[in-house]
Amino acid sequence: DIVMTQSPDSLAVSLGERATINCKSSQSVFFSSNSKNYLAWYQQKPGQPPKLLIYWASARESGVPVRFSGSGSATDFTLTISNLQAEDVAVYYCQQYYNTPNTFGQGTKLEIK
Amino acid sequence: EVQLVESGGGLVQPGGSLRLSCAASGFTFSSYWMHWVRQAPGKGLVWVSGINTDGSTTNYADSVKGRFTISRDNAKNTLYLQMNSLRVEDTSVYYCGRAGGWDGSSWVSLFDFWGLGALVTVSS
Repeated sequence: DIVMTQSPDSLAVSLGERATINCKSSQSVFFSSNSKNYLAWYQQKPGQPPKLLIYWASARESGVPVRFSGSGSATDFTLTISNLQAEDVAVYYCQQYYNTPNTFGQGTKLEIK
Repeated sequence: EVQLVESGGGLVQPGGSLRLSCAASGFTFSSYWMHWVRQAPGKGLVWVSGINTDGSTTNYADSVKGRFTISRDNAKNTLYLQMNSLRVEDTSVYYCGRAGGWDGSSWVSLFDFWGLGALVTVSS
């Protein structure tokens, strides 16, 4: 199974500042035949199901604010939240869907400083 | 509007059984792979099982293989998870998810819509 490791486990960022969450996979999730990274990011607020933010490592889901961006390739990925808003307080998960079983990172809890 | 509504959760004793349902609406259910993902209290997300569009292909996490069975009824737009021989460690919120990702040649387990979840508690 591909192990997904996120860092940090938690972070506190001031309103209007930038939050950066990292995700590392134990093997590459880049498929060379289509040049796609099989990596997604989800946001989960308390008492709610996860919400898809980013897929193919950097494609923003419809309706997701532009302050959310994804980057990286192969085994190292980053979710960046610019101009942090109060409603961004949540737990963020990365997920690889390169193979079965698809696996999630342990989650990163984002709070306001 | 896409909607996924889970039902069937509850309290069950260790060794017992439970069947979850996920009623889908707002999209062509029979065109999508569907999955179950669970989340233990205060913990992270764990994929449980997936099923292809016509139910002929199923996948399971090792932790539930041989105990859980995923199925679907496309005529009823409903996904199921039959859970047998339940263990305390199966206690979780169970989400159904639609796999809406297409990589140009096949569907991938990218979950673009989720239900609100059904709580399963296994305890004596």
